[in-house]
Amino acid sequence: AQTVTQSQPEMSVQEAETVTLSCTYDTSESDYYLFWYKQPPSRQMILVIRQEAYKQQNATENRFSVNFQKAAKSFSLKISDSQLGDAAMYFCAYRSAVRYQGGSEKLVFGKGMKLTVNP
Amino acid sequence: AAGVIQSPRHLIKEKRETATLKCYPIPRHDTVYWYQQGPGQDPQFLISFYEKMQSDKGSIPDRFSAQQFSDYHSELNMSSLELGDSALYFCASTQGWGRANEQFFGPGTRLTVL
Repeated sequence: AQTVTQSQPEMSVQEAETVTLSCTYDTSESDYYLFWYKQPPSRQMILVIRQEAYKQQNATENRFSVNFQKAAKSFSLKISDSQLGDAAMYFCAYRSAVRYQGGSEKLVFGKGMKLTVNP
Repeated sequence: AAGVIQSPRHLIKEKRETATLKCYPIPRHDTVYWYQQGPGQDPQFLISFYEKMQSDKGSIPDRFSAQQFSDYHSELNMSSLELGDSALYFCASTQGWGRANEQFFGPGTRLTVL
């Protein structure tokens, strides 16, 4: 079974600065997807960024970028120019690439990390 | 753009009662997933449906059942409720199976069992 680990339960960052959230995962599969979800106080789950394992290039979405190290099974999220609205719980998640190897399409989440942004 | 609709948004029940949660996926989405998020916890997968058939099953108690209807909406039925069932229940939808499509989450139903 796949597991996702977020070892830092909480982090804080000053507004306009950069912060990196770490995530490691364990899998025996060769093809899969990795995600970062944001959950603000409203509890809505919002997709921040997605990485496909077969793509070597790290995904980027505006101020959000990832550092995907497949061999190390590491998937960190970098938030640049942090804004007050970035304050939320952040969940790292894994999903199998079912089309190529069968298995489940469920999302497997890490325990989450609470990010505080200080003005 | 249309989003995933969940109803009710809040539900309060007594122990041993039953509850029904409803999920209306985004139009043309044929796949639905249910997740349970306890207080301070990460979401846990319960069950999923593709084209009205169960496609996967997670840690869903036997007291719970679910189905997907012909219009693709889904219902999660929960019986003999326990205090530990208090949680936020998310429904997510996507189009197709076996694709790299995003799962779009609904706002969740907050269930409180007293």
